Amino acid sequence: AQKITQTQPGMFVQEKEAVTLDCTYDTSDQSYGLFWYKQPSSGEMIFLIYQGSYDEQNATEGRYSLNFQKARKSANLVISASQLGDSAMYFCAMREGFQSGNQFYFGTGTSLTVIP
Amino acid sequence: GAGVSQSPSNKVTEKGKDVELRCDPISGHTALYWYRQSLGQGLEFLIYFQGNSAPDKSGLPSDRFSAERTGGSVSTLTIQRTQQEDSAVYLCASSTGLVGEQYFGPGTRLTVT
Repeated sequence: AQKITQTQPGMFVQEKEAVTLDCTYDTSDQSYGLFWYKQPSSGEMIFLIYQGSYDEQNATEGRYSLNFQKARKSANLVISASQLGDSAMYFCAMREGFQSGNQFYFGTGTSLTVIP
Repeated sequence: GAGVSQSPSNKVTEKGKDVELRCDPISGHTALYWYRQSLGQGLEFLIYFQGNSAPDKSGLPSDRFSAERTGGSVSTLTIQRTQQEDSAVYLCASSTGLVGEQYFGPGTRLTVT
């Protein structure tokens, strides 16, 4: 079974609108971390936001927020007030356990295009 | 401070040749990861190192692939007898700390002709 599933290969959003990128995960561990990364066309992977499995509050970082629904095993990324520079690939990832050296599992990504 | 660096940025090689890809992690980061990304695809895990522990090599696609990490810092990914299907971008990342988010290098684009 896939550890991370991203079901939206491509998404479009109007500039200044909000958009939700879906991510579901599969683990039997109680302790895990969820991450979102952005990969612009230039290729570099940029860390956006983190949610720990024991965090009760949804993580927020500027215009990014993570809609964490533990019972449903979903960790959707919400981008508010979309900007043209948000056009990129977005990857959801999970690390089982809290040690920094544990293996990461990445989804297949969602390509987001922001329309002016 | 300096981020993760990788060299070379681009490598074109003939089928059957060996190549070495280098990764210089962020100073003090104990964990180092290698991934492969084919055009338009997600990240394929290859190997990771954590401190002095034995590396997790479970993602290496064949015995032509190997990696070392010397002195807990610089890492080299070696691909022997390259094949055309090895063409991809090879990404390196390092991490540390409680959250353990990964910081990625710019990648090495490998083209096997």
